[in-house]
Amino acid sequence: EAGVVQSPRYKIIEKKQPVAFWCNPISGHNTLYWYLQNLGQGPELLIRYENEEAVDDSQLPKDRFSAERLKGVDSTLKIQPAELGDSAVYLCASSLGAGGGTDTQYFGPGTRLTVL
Amino acid sequence: AQSVSQHNHHVILSEAASLELGCNYSYGGTVNLFWYVQYPGQHLQLLLKYFSGDPLVKGIKGFEAEFIKSKFSFNLRKPSVQWSDTAEYFCAVKSRVGTASKLTFGTGTRLQVTL
Repeated sequence: EAGVVQSPRYKIIEKKQPVAFWCNPISGHNTLYWYLQNLGQGPELLIRYENEEAVDDSQLPKDRFSAERLKGVDSTLKIQPAELGDSAVYLCASSLGAGGGTDTQYFGPGTRLTVL
Repeated sequence: AQSVSQHNHHVILSEAASLELGCNYSYGGTVNLFWYVQYPGQHLQLLLKYFSGDPLVKGIKGFEAEFIKSKFSFNLRKPSVQWSDTAEYFCAVKSRVGTASKLTFGTGTRLQVTL
């Protein structure tokens, strides 16, 4: 079974440029998550989707970050414009259920973003 | 709000040494607990999880963890580490109640196993 797929794996951009990350979850997984992982830290949730609905975007900086999951399968996370402080690893995860307590999340390899 | 503390940021062990990584959480309700591992250059992988039942949970690659409710702890153990266990280990906690529960991670422990 294929795992969570993310692309690109690495991205280097200059500040003020836009950038987009793509994620394809495990087949059949209804819930999709985007996380931010800074160096030396654990992942922090940015947004959670149940099918195509964003059910928790409270941690997403909406002034520059946006996300979509139009058909309830793959998802795109965008930053526009990027700032130096956005340099981090952006992780996508998916889970089978509705994100409840016993739902287990499976992670993709992440996209390492460097903003110059 | 829930939080997770991993007190050991960097651990260096020789092969065959025993391992115990600490994890304490802060949350007033019932929780589910996870350990994830990230090998160099690879993605986060689930090592083991605790939902209910026997508080001693066995995971992949000989790892185990014990949930001690009175101490709010979920320490990870392995009797004899191998060089291939070199990785970063993350403890995570999730409320068991409701569908809006969030998975909260600790800051991670970097394990370095020397030959």
